[in-house]
Amino acid sequence: DTGVSQDPRHKITKRGQNVTFRCDPISEHNRLYWYRQTLGQGPEFLTYFQNEAQLEKSRLLSDRFSAERPKGSFSTLEIQRTEQGDSAMYLCASSSQGAAGNTIYFGEGSWLTVV
Amino acid sequence: GDSVTQMEGPVTLSEEAFLTINCTYTATGYPSLFWYVQYPGEGLQLLLKATKADDKGSNKGFEATYRKETTSFHLEKGSVQVSDSAVYFCAPYLQGAQKLVFGQGTRLTINP
Repeated sequence: DTGVSQDPRHKITKRGQNVTFRCDPISEHNRLYWYRQTLGQGPEFLTYFQNEAQLEKSRLLSDRFSAERPKGSFSTLEIQRTEQGDSAMYLCASSSQGAAGNTIYFGEGSWLTVV
Repeated sequence: GDSVTQMEGPVTLSEEAFLTINCTYTATGYPSLFWYVQYPGEGLQLLLKATKADDKGSNKGFEATYRKETTSFHLEKGSVQVSDSAVYFCAPYLQGAQKLVFGQGTRLTINP
């Protein structure tokens, strides 16, 4: 069990460019979550998957954001036409449905800076 | 709506002091309750959890008890260390919405 893995850890991009983050959950975890955290704030829910199905999307997830989990394993979060307000840490997390207390384990996060 | 309220920070203590970080929540039903810790530049690490009323979660000297009557889950530690300096988040897991809800967190600084 290697934990939740995120890549890249840091990304600096120019405004208007597209970026993609990848998340590899803990193996056999069927739920995968994306959260966003800005400086000094708590994480905000963006979306979650159960297997390959995206079951909920927050209003924070504008149409420039898209998340996929094509085979129910790793997931990608793409941000198109980035804006300075997108600068944040993007956290991925996973859990096993039915596990005691639905414990959600987080990755180290992917920092995005839009200049 | 569902929400969580934590003690406002920053909290600054001396080493070996007693720590309490208050947490109250508003949620329908009986959520599972979690404390996460975040060190600078890192993701969230699970600290402890409790899944039903009167359960006590504990880890690394930290404890928190699920109080249904007061909808609270206060974090305590008897003797803090410099290495405990971090941001602490209380988070209920909403069964209906299938997600964790976070407040702003409490920044803790321990001075030697």
